[in-house]
Amino acid sequence: AQKVTQAQTEISVVEKEDVTLDCVYETRDTTYYLFWYKQPPSGELVFLIRRNSFDEQNEISGRYSWNFQKSTSSFNFTITASQVVDSAVYFCALSFNDYKLSFGAGTTVTVRA
Amino acid sequence: ETGVTQSPTHLIKTRGQQVTLRCSSQSGHNTVSWYQQALGQGPQFIFQYYREEENGRGNFPPRFSGLQFPNYSSELNVNALELDDSALYLCASRPEGAGNTQYFGPGTRLTVL
Repeated sequence: AQKVTQAQTEISVVEKEDVTLDCVYETRDTTYYLFWYKQPPSGELVFLIRRNSFDEQNEISGRYSWNFQKSTSSFNFTITASQVVDSAVYFCALSFNDYKLSFGAGTTVTVRA
Repeated sequence: ETGVTQSPTHLIKTRGQQVTLRCSSQSGHNTVSWYQQALGQGPQFIFQYYREEENGRGNFPPRFSGLQFPNYSSELNVNALELDDSALYLCASRPEGAGNTQYFGPGTRLTVL
């Protein structure tokens, strides 16, 4: 069975602190894709990053960085120097060649000024 | 801007009624998927269409049905509405050649009374 677990339900930080969101996935397939989406209060899911199972290279994009480790089936996401605008629900998701996305339960991030 | 639009934004229906939700995506987005997101949960896959044919379905009853049209628009129809159908309904489209990345619309919030 394919499954995505985001153990952290809520995280609250003060502006400029770093915050790391954990994502652990389960699959027996060797080819799969991992995603992070951001959902601000407006409701729209905003695509942040996609990683395929053959690419374990970590990535940094501005204040965002991702750490993909197949050995621990984890795909963690870090926001550096958080800002109030980062407040949102963040979802980790898993898909295969059928494109269907399986989402975790989400982590609510609140950044206080 | 993802180029994916949904209408209406909000909708209130009563139990037993039928509802049609609409989604419009950009030219070349041949795959469209629909997701249901209950309050406080991650989105759940309903079904997916490719070139006007359903090619994947999640664990939803047959009263959830859909259509995709040649002009890259699609519909989600729900018959015999139940209180538990109250949720945010998200449409996502995937452009050809975009790998597995799907881009979401702003959603339709359905309330069933």
